[in-house]
Amino acid sequence: DVKVTQSSRYLVKRTGEKVFLECVQDMDHENMFWYRQDPGLGLRLIYFSYDVKMKEKGDIPEGYSVSREKKERFSLILESASTNQTSMYLCASRQGQSPKAFFGQGTRLTVV
Amino acid sequence: QKEVEQDPGPLSVPEGAIVSLNCTYSNSAFQYFMWYRQYSRKGPELLMYTYSSGNKEDGRFTAQVDKSSKYISLFIRDSQPSDSATYLCAMYPGGGADGLTFGKGTHLIIQP
Repeated sequence: DVKVTQSSRYLVKRTGEKVFLECVQDMDHENMFWYRQDPGLGLRLIYFSYDVKMKEKGDIPEGYSVSREKKERFSLILESASTNQTSMYLCASRQGQSPKAFFGQGTRLTVV
Repeated sequence: QKEVEQDPGPLSVPEGAIVSLNCTYSNSAFQYFMWYRQYSRKGPELLMYTYSSGNKEDGRFTAQVDKSSKYISLFIRDSQPSDSATYLCAMYPGGGADGLTFGKGTHLIIQP
């Protein structure tokens, strides 16, 4: 089975802090994604990557950046956390053009 | 008009009932249609995917796609309390590295 692992289940950070969310997948998938999930808004795509060092903006990239230095690892960075970034963050991976995306368990981030 | 519409519920049915979950969409480019199940405070788990129009069955679950009406359904037979979760439809045009487009999810409650 594909395993997508997010480094933390729960995080509490202060406003203005730099926050790193890490995601690792073990199936050599080319594509990796970061979503955030909020009540009433569903899943929204922040950034995705189709190869090492490659990244593309999703629907809501403002306030976020990403890094993909190795194929298996995709990091989401909040440069200066704000309270409106309190959310559930979900990482996913997908092989090539397959539609099947596999998700991690999510990171519940609270910014105070 | 949002790309994918899904009734958020909650939908509450007695154990053993047949459940019907639905999504409508507007983008005729979508070719792949997925259903994810998400338990509280967990990441989404892929249940089924279908390519183009037609039906697909997997145990108690049946997915239907009607591209002419831009309407997809997930049926759950002999529903169990363990089926209580949020069900997310997702769609993808195929051929690229883009993320999936999700509905907002339907919260399903199976009453014992």
